[in-house]
This record gives sequence, C-alpha cells and structure tokens, in this order.
Amino acid sequence: DAGVIQSPRHEVTEMGQEVTLRCKPISGHNSLFWYRQTMMRGLELLIYFNNNVPIDDSGMPEDRFSAKMPNASFSTLKIQPSEPRDSAVYFCASRKSGRSTDTQYFGPGTRLTVL
Amino acid sequence: AQSVTQLDSQVPVFEEAPVELRCNYSSSVSVYLFWYVQYPNQGLQLLLKYLSGSTLVESINGFEAEFNKSQTSFHLRKPSVHISDTAEYFCAVSAMKTSYDKVIFGPGTSLSVIP
Repeated sequence: DAGVIQSPRHEVTEMGQEVTLRCKPISGHNSLFWYRQTMMRGLELLIYFNNNVPIDDSGMPEDRFSAKMPNASFSTLKIQPSEPRDSAVYFCASRKSGRSTDTQYFGPGTRLTVL
Repeated sequence: AQSVTQLDSQVPVFEEAPVELRCNYSSSVSVYLFWYVQYPNQGLQLLLKYLSGSTLVESINGFEAEFNKSQTSFHLRKPSVHISDTAEYFCAVSAMKTSYDKVIFGPGTSLSVIP
C-alpha cells in the first residue's frame, strides 16, 4: 500500500496567487482530514470528510480556503488568494471508517511558503 | 467538547535514560486516547491507543502509556530512550461514540535524546 499521497511536497508562491494542494487517501478509506501545522498554532484540523461529504469545516480559516472531495480517491484544498500567513505544512490524513477507533494515516505533508 | 494539554513543550533526555511525556485531557464523556509520533519532515504515525480494557497499553518500540481516569491523564513512558526516539509526540483524544468523530490533538512535546 502506498499510503496517503500528497502533492506537491513543496510549494513556493507569491501573495495573491491561487494554491491547490492535492491528496489521494488510502484505497478503501472513507474518511479524509486536512490539517495545518505551524510552530505558533500547532496542528489544526481544517476540515474532514466522511464518504466524500464534508462533516466538519469549522476549522477552515476563512473564505479564502475551500476543500473538495469529488470522489473517494481524491481531495483538494485550495487557497485563493494566498497570503504569507498561510505558510505552513498541510497534512492530509485518511481513516478506514468514520469511527475514531480506527487509525488515522497521515501523508508526508505539503510545505507551503507564500512570499 | 474535548481538549488535550501537554504541559511540556520540550523534553531533553540523555540516551538510555527513562522518559515520561505528560498528557492530560478534558471531556464530559468517556474517551478514546491516542499517542502519535512525528519524526522530522514526516507525517504523524500512531504510536499506541487506549480504547477499552487494560489501562496500560504498549507500543512495539518499547513505549507504554497508562490511562488514569481519576486524574484524566494518559502519560507516555519509556524506560530507556534511543537516539532514534527523537521526535515530536502528540497526545490526542476522541469522544467515545459509535458515530463518526474527529480526533483532537494536543500541542505536542518535542523529545530530544542527547547522546
């Protein structure tokens, strides 16, 4: 199993540009999570999906952020327009079911730098 | 709602010495508890979890954690650490539900093993 796949691994962009982060969950998993990690704020849950449906997006910072899961094998997190304070490592994680007793598997992360 | 406190942001310890990483949680309902580890430049990985039964749970690499309901704690211990244990450790909690739920992560403790 390839695990959770994220792309790109690194992204450097200029303020105001659109950024799209991609995630492929583990096959057969039906819950997907997007997290943001910074030194100042730690690990923050942005949004999570169950069976491709957004269940909790209360962690999405503002309207500049949007997430989609068009099918069970792909999700995107988009930032438009990007700002320097969005610089962080963004993790995607997947879980076999909606139950928290199942293990969450994290991807390697995308390191985003907004200049 | 649940919350997690990790009082120590950084813990330096000499190689082969014992270590304890502290975790306390807050919840109005019964919980599941987890410890995740993040090695440099990687995503988080599950280290161990408490779901039910014995309050002492162990990982394959020598870590153990004990659930103490009266003290609302889930401290992580290892009797003898190795250089390879240098990493960020996250305690996490989830409400004991049968329906889908998210996992709440603590701020993390950075363990540095000194040769």
